[in-house]
Amino acid sequence: QQQVKQSPQSLIVQKGGIPIINCAYENTAFDYFPWYQQFPGKGPALLIAIRPDVSEKKEGRFTISFNKSAKQFSLHIMDSQPGDSATYFCAAGGGADGLTFGKGTHLIIQP
Amino acid sequence: DVKVTQSSRYLVKRTGEKVFLECVQDMDHENMFWYRQDPGLGLRLIYFSYDVKMKEKGDIPEGYSVSREKKERFSLILESASTNQTSMYLCASSLQGTSDIQYFGAGTRLSVL
Repeated sequence: QQQVKQSPQSLIVQKGGIPIINCAYENTAFDYFPWYQQFPGKGPALLIAIRPDVSEKKEGRFTISFNKSAKQFSLHIMDSQPGDSATYFCAAGGGADGLTFGKGTHLIIQP
Repeated sequence: DVKVTQSSRYLVKRTGEKVFLECVQDMDHENMFWYRQDPGLGLRLIYFSYDVKMKEKGDIPEGYSVSREKKERFSLILESASTNQTSMYLCASSLQGTSDIQYFGAGTRLSVL
């Protein structure tokens, strides 16, 4: 499977700041780009997803920016809160082999 | 709400034992998946199934097999558990194909001693 490269591995942001997590993919057949949020002791849960026909999608404080030509997409969290502290995974799908996940970003929002 | 239930939260097994991890979903989803999650490696796909009795290898199928006799149930089998299979195992399901939301269970943390 093609890789999805996610950065940074860990991130510490002050409350109210805007953490940004970046992902890059290789396979141009991908047509679905979800972000998952995982709290300790829980399975990942879908946070927000985008398809390549749009360049940005917002849901509440969470925004995905998508750059098709660069094969990159990113997650922005506006007005971040301590409750946003979690591990975030980007993923890409659309081929026959299921989703390909990034390695995850451990995000800490400090009060 | 979609519910994906994994039968055990924690398991401790001995090297060489045959291990069964069970997963049940209640939303009549076509597709089911097994991943393992390791620190620094993210989620890696072991096997998935898009229909009853059908299975496809993922990225890391070696040492594992799966069974899907009923639509709602997908089992992961470690034929002869080894210490390098100590990990968090996550089951997921989705309604339609790979370009669709995957719903995850809470995971089974397996320790092989």
